Amino acid sequence: GNSVTQMEGPVTLSEEAFLTINCTYTATGYPSLFWYVQYPGEGLQLLLKATKADDKGSNKGFEATYRKETTSFHLEKGSVQVSDSAVYFCALSRNQAGTALIFGKGTTLSVSS
Amino acid sequence: EAQVTQNPRYLITVTGKKLTVTCSQNMNHEYMSWYRQDPGLGLRQIYYSMNVEVTDKGDVPEGYKVSRKEKRNFPLILESPSPNQTSLYFCASRGVRGPHNTEAFFGQGTRLTVV
Repeated sequence: GNSVTQMEGPVTLSEEAFLTINCTYTATGYPSLFWYVQYPGEGLQLLLKATKADDKGSNKGFEATYRKETTSFHLEKGSVQVSDSAVYFCALSRNQAGTALIFGKGTTLSVSS
Repeated sequence: EAQVTQNPRYLITVTGKKLTVTCSQNMNHEYMSWYRQDPGLGLRQIYYSMNVEVTDKGDVPEGYKVSRKEKRNFPLILESPSPNQTSLYFCASRGVRGPHNTEAFFGQGTRLTVV
């Protein structure tokens, strides 16, 4: 079936360090891929998305490229800030209409100054 | 402002006492869903609704009910809550029209404790 696997956290970095959070997926067909971010005490917000192979989603300095050959959608940021501390969820949509999302377990990022 | 509103934000209740968590969206979205978030398990879908009067089970529906009488509202009902339903609950909505997947909007969450 469809599933998403994220690297285990927590990830602890110093400010301005490079960030990578790995995400791989298993899916039939051609899912869309998403990264959501959850700041402390808040709901989930869409960070970026990619709807087809080789698409690159980007937002707020974060990037992720849809790699069909490796079934991956790794999240990267060149220089993290304290304000990036949050839980990050990789997700895929089950079908063409993109109605149902399947989430990874989440990766907690903690950035210190 | 586009938003999904859940109420209450926090709730402590006793085993067996029926409760309802409300969810309302103002974006005229067709699709709404409920998730629960538990440590180490991420988000798991409880129920979803493709449109008014159309609901279906997600991955963990046991012990929950939903209804979709109006497009904007999608309440989650726990007829007889049990301690294993202690969790953080999120409601989400999204539009389904068009060839591409659209962004899902999430509520702020409801932290439920069943004692």
